[in-house]
Amino acid sequence: GAVVSQHPSWVICKSGTSVKIECRSLDFQATTMFWYRQFPKQSLMLMATSNEGSKATYEQGVEKDKFLINHASLTLSTLTVTSAHPEDSSFYICSAPIIQETQYFGPGTRLLVL
Amino acid sequence: EDQVTQSPEALRLQEGESSSLNCSYTVSGLRGLFWYRQDPGKGPEFLFTLYSAGEEKEKERLKATLTKKESFLHITAPKPEDSATYLCAVQGEGGSYIPTFGRGTSLIVHP
Repeated sequence: GAVVSQHPSWVICKSGTSVKIECRSLDFQATTMFWYRQFPKQSLMLMATSNEGSKATYEQGVEKDKFLINHASLTLSTLTVTSAHPEDSSFYICSAPIIQETQYFGPGTRLLVL
Repeated sequence: EDQVTQSPEALRLQEGESSSLNCSYTVSGLRGLFWYRQDPGKGPEFLFTLYSAGEEKEKERLKATLTKKESFLHITAPKPEDSATYLCAVQGEGGSYIPTFGRGTSLIVHP
């Protein structure tokens, strides 16, 4: 069964609003989670590393003030897309390492900004 | 810098026609090589982790192999339900758990 869940699975919002996406580890603790973005027919692009109890580490070119990440517990990380614009429309996926280095991915969240 | 190149970008097979997907990589000390399957609109599904050259792993019609420079995902007698994008990723011996992904191979199996 699924070991990482995401909510919501899809969201449509108006331009200028903020959207929060949750990533939960099921039945295990994750001190680190990762957030990816994927455009159609493209591979995964790492956005940031979410660290429990400390600040997230953002990849080069990713605006930390636009994509707010909070990892408040060992089973939950959230990604908030602030003041969303149509160009933020994408597929957002989180992951967490479980067995040694192996990453397990959530089912993804489809965001459409109108 | 770790690099992963997957080929071909796209592959069309007839049902039952076996083939292989390639993943070439460069990494400073391999910690692990990973294969994932991704269906449209879904997150990647874990398939295999390989740790050292010569290692092989199998799951149903899929078999992954590893050398010091590349990995192959062999698909034996594929079925239409094997149609998906297959992603390869490597993790080097750096301090983080961040893998480097290839662009994937889009596989379509025709009935």
